[in-house]
Amino acid sequence: GDSVTQMEGPVTLSEEAFLTINCTYTATGYPSLFWYVQYPGEGLQLLLKATKADDKGSNKGFEATYRKETTSFHLEKGSVQVSDSAVYFCALGPRAGGTSYGKLTFGQGTILTVHP
Amino acid sequence: DGGITQSPKYLFRKEGQNVTLSCEQNLNHDAMYWYRQDPGQGLRLIYYSQIVNDFQKGDIAEGYSVSREKKESFPLTVTSAQKNPTAFYLCASTPRERESAGELFFGEGSRLTVL
Repeated sequence: GDSVTQMEGPVTLSEEAFLTINCTYTATGYPSLFWYVQYPGEGLQLLLKATKADDKGSNKGFEATYRKETTSFHLEKGSVQVSDSAVYFCALGPRAGGTSYGKLTFGQGTILTVHP
Repeated sequence: DGGITQSPKYLFRKEGQNVTLSCEQNLNHDAMYWYRQDPGQGLRLIYYSQIVNDFQKGDIAEGYSVSREKKESFPLTVTSAQKNPTAFYLCASTPRERESAGELFFGEGSRLTVL
């Protein structure tokens, strides 16, 4: 079955440091890939997505590129802020235009803490 | 404001009791979902519903039940048959045109603790 593996956390960085959170996946076909973020005490919200190979999703300074050859979707940000402290989830979903009705497979989440 | 409202935010239950978690959305979304979140395990799908009066089991449906009598409401009942119910429960929804793209809108969650 489909699965998503994220790098082990927690990750602790100083403000303005470079961030990478690794994500690899196993799936049949051509899934869509997502990063969701969960701020303390809140539900998840979509951060960015990519629906086909070599697509780059970006939002709020975060980027991730859909690499089919390495089955990866690593999240990066060039300069993190304290307000980026949250839990980040990589997720795999149905291919764009498919019929799997929004069923996502999530990674285990990576806790990010950014210190001033 | 439009959004997804889950209640209660915190709930305590004694062993052997059923509890119902509420999820209401005013976004006019067609599909709704219940996920369970445990530390270090990510989110796992419990049940989902694409239309009123229809729902399907997810990956961990045992010990849970749902109903979808209205488009805006998708309550989850955690029954006494659920062996390890202490968890954070998240409700989500999506409009039909985004459904296949996997873009979900989440509520703020309900934390259930069994005493």
